[in-house]
Amino acid sequence: DAGVTQSPTHLIKTRGQQVTLRCSPKSGHDTVSWYQQALGQGPQFIFQYYEEEERQRGNFPDRFSGHQFPNYSSELNVNALLLGDSALYLCASSGLRTSGRGDEQFFGPGTRLTVL
Amino acid sequence: AQSVSQHNHHVILSEAASLELGCNYSYGGTVNLFWYVQYPGQHLQLLLKYFSGDPLVKGIKGFEAEFIKSKFSFNLRKPSVQWSDTAEYFCAVNAQGGKLIFGQGTELSVKP
Repeated sequence: DAGVTQSPTHLIKTRGQQVTLRCSPKSGHDTVSWYQQALGQGPQFIFQYYEEEERQRGNFPDRFSGHQFPNYSSELNVNALLLGDSALYLCASSGLRTSGRGDEQFFGPGTRLTVL
Repeated sequence: AQSVSQHNHHVILSEAASLELGCNYSYGGTVNLFWYVQYPGQHLQLLLKYFSGDPLVKGIKGFEAEFIKSKFSFNLRKPSVQWSDTAEYFCAVNAQGGKLIFGQGTELSVKP
């Protein structure tokens, strides 16, 4: 049973560019959440997708957008990259429909984004 | 706004010492509480969780945590740490369905 997978593992971009990160949830899960983890900090919630719609959003600007596909996989897009966007981006999945508890989230290994 | 506070940024212990990591949260309603661990080079893994019922919960690898509602606390404990427990530990709260709010993390270093 594959866990949460993310791609790519590492990414280097320059300021002003755009980036797309991808996530495949754990088998049987239908909900995907994205988090940003800056160095030395705890993860910060960006948004959550369920049934292909954004269900909840944290305090991130509109430059951060996402998408969920019918197979439950998800993308995180960041436009107009800033130096401060350099971080580890984590995807987490949960089974809102199956368990009724969307709260228990399983995390992927993350994508390390460096903005130069 | 909800927040989670972890009291210690870095804890250094010798093997066999007892461990207690503090976690306090701010939210007046019903919460779900979690401890996650991040071993060096690995992804976040769930150590234990509290949803309801017995406030003393047991997790993997001999860890346990106690939910004290009156103190808004969910402290993590282990009677005897091992070198392999060296990792970063995160306390997290879920109060509004969906998002997890994390503390800033506690780095635990265990000396052999």
